[in-house]
Amino acid sequence: DVVMTQSPLSLPVTLGQPASISCRSSQSLVYSDGNTYLYWFQQRPGQSPRRLIYKVSNRDSGVPDRFSGSGSGTDFTLKISRVEAEDVGVYYCMQGTHWRTFGGGTKVEIK
Amino acid sequence: EVQLVESGGGLVKPGGSLRLSCAASGFTFSDAWMSWVRQAPGKGLEWVGRIKRKTDAGTADYAAPVKGRFTISRDDSENTVFLQMNSLKTEDTAVYYCTTESYDYWGQGTLVTVSS
Repeated sequence: DVVMTQSPLSLPVTLGQPASISCRSSQSLVYSDGNTYLYWFQQRPGQSPRRLIYKVSNRDSGVPDRFSGSGSGTDFTLKISRVEAEDVGVYYCMQGTHWRTFGGGTKVEIK
Repeated sequence: EVQLVESGGGLVKPGGSLRLSCAASGFTFSDAWMSWVRQAPGKGLEWVGRIKRKTDAGTADYAAPVKGRFTISRDDSENTVFLQMNSLKTEDTAVYYCTTESYDYWGQGTLVTVSS
């Protein structure tokens, strides 16, 4: 099974400052069709998950452009350029190349 | 507007069964692959399984912890996907979410509690 390892577990951030979350997979996430099926989700307190990014770096409609995804192979990053209060929650990466596996989550909170 | 509405959760004893439903609207359901994801209290997300559309054979795949106990099915005439859960264990306690296989739409979740 592919293991997805996120870091850090918890990320206290000052409003207006950048934040970065790492996600590493135990195997390459490049599929046979050439795509890399790596997703990022946001789960605000008490809400269902919401997809932010698909295939590494494609931002979903309605997602603020302060969110960006990057990476390749086994190493991926979600960046928030300037954290706002509404960004508080838990962020998960998920791979869709070898079945489906979620990372353990990173809790973003305001300092 | 896309909507996914889960129902059927509740309290069940270990070894018991429960069937969850997810009613979909706002998109062509018969063209969609659908998935179930669960979240134990205070824990992260866990993929449960998915079902393909009928034109892709309509077969289902499952995560190892639920294989042989859970069954996913669909009724395209009712725009509904089901999760039949048998031989339930305490570790199956979770909020169960219905989602499209592209994970761009999620339901509100339904809580399943397995306890004696």
